[in-house]
Amino acid sequence: GENVGLHLPTLSVQEGDNSIINCAYSNSASDYFIWYKQESGKGPQFIIDIRSNMDKRQGQRVTVLLNKTVKHLSLQIAATQPGDSAVYFCAENTPSGYSTLTFGKGTMLLVSP
Amino acid sequence: KAGVTQTPRYLIKTRGQQVTLSCSPISGHRSVSWYQQTPGQGLQFLFEYFSETQRNKGNFPGRFSGRQFSNSRSEMNVSTLELGDSALYLCASSSRGGTGELFFGEGSRLTVL
Repeated sequence: GENVGLHLPTLSVQEGDNSIINCAYSNSASDYFIWYKQESGKGPQFIIDIRSNMDKRQGQRVTVLLNKTVKHLSLQIAATQPGDSAVYFCAENTPSGYSTLTFGKGTMLLVSP
Repeated sequence: KAGVTQTPRYLIKTRGQQVTLSCSPISGHRSVSWYQQTPGQGLQFLFEYFSETQRNKGNFPGRFSGRQFSNSRSEMNVSTLELGDSALYLCASSSRGGTGELFFGEGSRLTVL
């Protein structure tokens, strides 16, 4: 896949467990954050986003937490399923007015049945 | 609504050649961004176009160029290919002029021999 050789951090969980994927972002001026999921052979797929005026946002089975003090994002996936196996990227956007994202290195999530 | 379409999906070139990749954004989206994904560097921003104007450019050499047409379709070109240009090139479109969710295509996988 695209991320072979990158030595991605890997999180291995059992089906039904809750998963937490962490990300440290770099720019304290960033005001918009997105989590993407990338399956092998596919482009990144939007999961959930959060703006800097929030510290928590919930979606379907997913929750994103933002801690601006320590520049940390986390993605929580409830009741993880084998179909959740993928590489997860956090991305940040600075208030430049442009649709430009800076991506983290990614975390591989492996879900065992 | 059709997603972001990238062509070709796979191509092989030799060093010194040039390549042109094409991207058709989601209908109505006026912003198109390009990203390079490699195992060593992850996802890196190349450039972003909005209404036929390049608004932002990443840290890549001048061999990498792009353009956007009046129908928002975009092309990127890499001249004098090097082995290190082998990568997955991802195009993303956005409906908004500024910060917003990016919708990615499946990518064009370029192999340089």
